[in-house]
Amino acid sequence: AQTVTQSQPEMSVQEAETVTLSCTYDTSESDYYLFWYKQPPSRQMILVIRQEAYKQQNATENRFSVNFQKAAKSFSLKISDSQLGDAAMYFCAYTAPMDSNYQLIWGAGTKLIIKP
Amino acid sequence: DTEVTQTPKHLVMGMTNKKSLKCEQHMGHRAMYWYKQKAKKPPELMFVYSYEKLSINESVPSRFSPECPNSSLLNLHLHALQPEDSALYLCASSQDSLAAEQETQYFGPGTRLLVL
Repeated sequence: AQTVTQSQPEMSVQEAETVTLSCTYDTSESDYYLFWYKQPPSRQMILVIRQEAYKQQNATENRFSVNFQKAAKSFSLKISDSQLGDAAMYFCAYTAPMDSNYQLIWGAGTKLIIKP
Repeated sequence: DTEVTQTPKHLVMGMTNKKSLKCEQHMGHRAMYWYKQKAKKPPELMFVYSYEKLSINESVPSRFSPECPNSSLLNLHLHALQPEDSALYLCASSQDSLAAEQETQYFGPGTRLLVL
């Protein structure tokens, strides 16, 4: 069965510093997609970044980038120049057409605290 | 525009009440989802509508009744709920075009439900 593991229940970082959130997953598929979603206290689940498994290049979105290691089944999120507004729960998620019929398989989440 | 709207934002209801949650998207998406989320947990999938037809029902109790009047609207009718049904209810939508690149889910802000 597909699983997504986020081993860090909570992380903290000083404002303006860089932090990396880890995510590993288990799948036998070659065609799949990985996501990082952010859920601030306002509750809205916001897409941060997405990575297609067939792309070797790591996805980036402004201050957010991923380190996608396909062989290791690792998908970490790096947040550069952390800002107070980055404080949120971060969920890693996986989906695949053949494996999960595009249903999202979620990690348990990592709570990110930004220290001013 | 990646906006999914949900009403109401908050709902308090008794166990004998009947209420409805509403979700709307104008992105031309053809798949819509209902999720239930408990505090500090990832969302749990409840229902999926694809092209206005119910395609997935994750063994949800019958006191939750989904409805998809058209491709832009998704309702969740609630009746005789239990206190353990108190949670954040999230709606999401995705393209569902059979092109894998389109299968990113976009979420609404959620409805916080409290059952007394």
